[in-house]
Amino acid sequence: EVQLVESGGGLVQPGGSLRLSCAASGFNFSNFSMYWVRQAPGKGLEYLTAITPNGGTTLYRDSVQFRFTVSRDNSKNMLYLQLGSLRVEDTAVYYCVRRTHFDRRDYNMAFDLWGQGTLVTVSS
Amino acid sequence: QLTQSPSFLSASVGDSVTITCRASQDIGLYLAWYQQKPGKAPRLLIYGASTLQSGVPSRFSGRRSGAEFTLTINSLQSEDYATYYCHQLNTVPPGIRFGQGTRLDI
Repeated sequence: EVQLVESGGGLVQPGGSLRLSCAASGFNFSNFSMYWVRQAPGKGLEYLTAITPNGGTTLYRDSVQFRFTVSRDNSKNMLYLQLGSLRVEDTAVYYCVRRTHFDRRDYNMAFDLWGQGTLVTVSS
Repeated sequence: QLTQSPSFLSASVGDSVTITCRASQDIGLYLAWYQQKPGKAPRLLIYGASTLQSGVPSRFSGRRSGAEFTLTINSLQSEDYATYYCHQLNTVPPGIRFGQGTRLDI
C-alpha cells in the first residue's frame, strides 16, 4: 500500500526538542521531493520545509529556519523533522507529504500523498 | 500572497459553488486545490490549475484567469461538505503557500 506514516509527536515543554519521523512505503521514496506541512488547531495549512530526492537541498519557511531541520534516509525510506527551541505557537498536527510531478510540464505537480499527521503539543 | 475567498460558504445539496484564490503576482499554472474533512489529511483535487486528480468526481473543476483561480463544485453532494484550500507551489520565488481555506457548510 502506498502510504506515509508519521510518528514521534507528543507533549513537550517550551524550549524543548522533538524528532518526528515519517515512514514511506509502496513507492520509490528516493525519487520524490518530500515536505512537512503543519496545521495548528482550528487553523489552516502551513508549509514548513522541503527536501529534494537525494537530500542535497533543503528549504525552510522563515519562522522555522534555524530551529527545525529536515533530513531523510533513502536506504530506510524515512523522512525526519528535528524540532528545536519549540514555542507554544508550534503546537500543531505535522504532516509528512509527497510532491509528485504528473508529467513533463513543470506546473503539473502537487502534494498528492499525505500522512495521517502527528500532533505536537508545546505547553508547560 | 494568496488570498482565498470566501472564508465560509453555505449551500444546499444540488447547488453549485465557486471558491476563488487570487495571487499577488503571476504564478502561472502552479496552483492546486485540496479538500480536507475534520480529523483527516487533505486530499488533492486539482493540479496545474485545472487538471482533475485521478479518482476525483467530474463535478469538481478548476479554472485560471490571470492571477485569479477558481474551484467550482457543481451539483453539491453531501460528501462535499468540507474545507477547501488552494495551494501555490512554485519551486522558486514566489514560492509555496496555502490559501486561508474555505469552509463549506450545509
